[in-house]
Amino acid sequence: SYELTQPPSVSVSPGQTASITCSGDKLGDKYASWYQQKPGQSPVLVIYQDTKRPSGIPDRFSGSNSGNTATLTISGTQAMDEADYYCLAWDISAGVFGGGTKLTVL
Amino acid sequence: EVRLVESGGGLVQPGGSLRLSCAASGIPFSSNWMHWVRQAPGKGLVWVSRINTDGSSADYADSVKGRFTISRDNAKNTLYLQMNSLRAEDTAVYYCARGHCSSTSCHFDCWGQGTLVTVSS
Repeated sequence: SYELTQPPSVSVSPGQTASITCSGDKLGDKYASWYQQKPGQSPVLVIYQDTKRPSGIPDRFSGSNSGNTATLTISGTQAMDEADYYCLAWDISAGVFGGGTKLTVL
Repeated sequence: EVRLVESGGGLVQPGGSLRLSCAASGIPFSSNWMHWVRQAPGKGLVWVSRINTDGSSADYADSVKGRFTISRDNAKNTLYLQMNSLRAEDTAVYYCARGHCSSTSCHFDCWGQGTLVTVSS
């Protein structure tokens, strides 16, 4: 079965750039989306179709996808961005989430 | 206002059954693919199932295939998940989500608050 791999944790200083990767076989041939989840809350879509931002998502969130890796980049990271982040891609007719990355802003 | 509200969770014994519901408002429910996603306590998100707009086609994760059935009632703007032969590993918060789907992928732009299913004796 298809698998997506994310680093368990990423740390960043406020104002710096955070990059969260998501790796899978030929992931660049698929669309990736990204979700932010804060403790006790439902997930929120932050990037879809690799690079698109839903309305209401700050432009400091961006995405890319090439080869075997999709990347979520948060520029000028703020304390409010501290959360778990999950990537999602599709293998035929099944959705596959990455294991999630805990972003710590310190 | 877009709202998805899940209900029907609770405590059930192993081998038992439960039916979850997801009531939608503020969205053109009959025009959207709908999905169920679950999250075990302290764990990550796992896609469970999806259903197309008229309910004629559904897909399932291997872990629930043959035990869970997704369905919808467009007249009632409601999504369902019938869960049978429940196991301890099915314990999770179950979210319904609206999917925007192309021929090869979906993304979820609207999520419910989730309903907790606990499978334990």
